[in-house]
Amino acid sequence: DGGITQSPKYLFRKEGQNVTLSCEQNLNHDAMYWYRQDPGQGLRLIYYSQIVNDFQKGDIAEGYSVSREKKESFPLTVTSAQKNPTAFYLCASSSSGTSGARRRSSWETQYFGPGTRLLVL
Amino acid sequence: GENVEQHPSTLSVQEGDSAVIKCTYSDSASNYFPWYKQELGKRPQLIIDIRSNVGEKKDQRIAVTLNKTAKHFSLHITETQPEDSAVYFCAASINSHRGNKLVFGAGTILRVKS
Repeated sequence: DGGITQSPKYLFRKEGQNVTLSCEQNLNHDAMYWYRQDPGQGLRLIYYSQIVNDFQKGDIAEGYSVSREKKESFPLTVTSAQKNPTAFYLCASSSSGTSGARRRSSWETQYFGPGTRLLVL
Repeated sequence: GENVEQHPSTLSVQEGDSAVIKCTYSDSASNYFPWYKQELGKRPQLIIDIRSNVGEKKDQRIAVTLNKTAKHFSLHITETQPEDSAVYFCAASINSHRGNKLVFGAGTILRVKS
């Protein structure tokens, strides 16, 4: 999991501001994921992407947006519509994914980045 | 959709004793069950996983068992040490044409007292 980086480590957001969290991997993984972690609630899936230029909403996508223009990168934007953004954000990647006609692929382990802690000013 | 329940939420054991954490899942199609360990302020790290064609897997002091009929799986840590203190998460897979994803349990805080 050393091949996944997230930046910044800490991020401060002012009310009404959009902020973008970076996630980069050099593991040649097809799939990438964004999770939000709040105390006592485990990891909740925000968005995930199996291939470039395609992504799917997770369980708590409202107030967030993503893009997947490159295989290595999956940035997450926390928009002003997200009213309670304070949390620890974790990015993950795995080699599972789809190719060509989006056939189902075998499952692979998810590896996590070091996380970004977002705080509201 | 898939729901994963994890128990207990906190577990305190004496050094050298065993610790057991249990998870149940709802989707019978789930076929991959990883366990992650997360130390304070750090990223989750995979410690062991099991696939649905196996009933038990062991790696040194750590073992995982899976009962597909009952839809539950458990993490067993033997001869616990203070460095085992952390939060442990179980997860179950969901595979579909839209992609693969994991659903996580809420976590168990394990404290090993020396």
